[in-house]
Amino acid sequence: SQTIHQWPATLVQPVGSPLSLECTVEGTSNPNLYWYRQAAGRGLQLLFYSIGIDQISSEVPQNLSASRPQDRQFILSSKKLLLSDSGFYLCAWSWRVGMNTEAFFGQGTRLTVV
Amino acid sequence: SQQGEEDPQALSIQEGENATMNCSYKTSINNLQWYRQNSGRGLVHLILIRSNEREKHSGRLRVTLDTSKKSSSLLITASRAADTASYFCATDGRDSSYKLIFGSGTRLLVRP
Repeated sequence: SQTIHQWPATLVQPVGSPLSLECTVEGTSNPNLYWYRQAAGRGLQLLFYSIGIDQISSEVPQNLSASRPQDRQFILSSKKLLLSDSGFYLCAWSWRVGMNTEAFFGQGTRLTVV
Repeated sequence: SQQGEEDPQALSIQEGENATMNCSYKTSINNLQWYRQNSGRGLVHLILIRSNEREKHSGRLRVTLDTSKKSSSLLITASRAADTASYFCATDGRDSSYKLIFGSGTRLLVRP
């Protein structure tokens, strides 16, 4: 069976510090991978999606970047955090093949920038 | 950018009543999905309806899709307190089926 791991669950970082959130998927190959951000009480904003290694699309210009060093690993980074980067970050994966597929989500990372 | 927009933003009902949430979207789609999110957790997939389908059922859930109006509805029948959560619709796009865009969600409160 497939599982998705996202860590850490919570993170408090000072403004200007770097960020690295990691997400890994087990039990499948060549997944589509996604990073979303959710502000308190709001919907999900798609930040990045990847259909393969070295194939990462950015949806919103911002202070963040994403990398996919391995097929099932997706990392969200920032060199210098801003207060506005606070939020709930969700990683997700979906099957590569076919268009009618659901997404499977990690449990999220609550980031507070202070 | 937001593709789907749900309404109402918040809904409070009594246990046993039915809950209806609506979703509107802007572009052509391959499918539309509904997800549930308990507070502070990840999202869980509920149901997927393809663009060539008009209605789909799963247990107490009923989803309709009207592609001419670019809208969908999620009906939860005989609601329970455990149904309290936020519900989101999500769409892919015919031009880019790998992108999954979520709406702003409906917060459902089921009072016991």
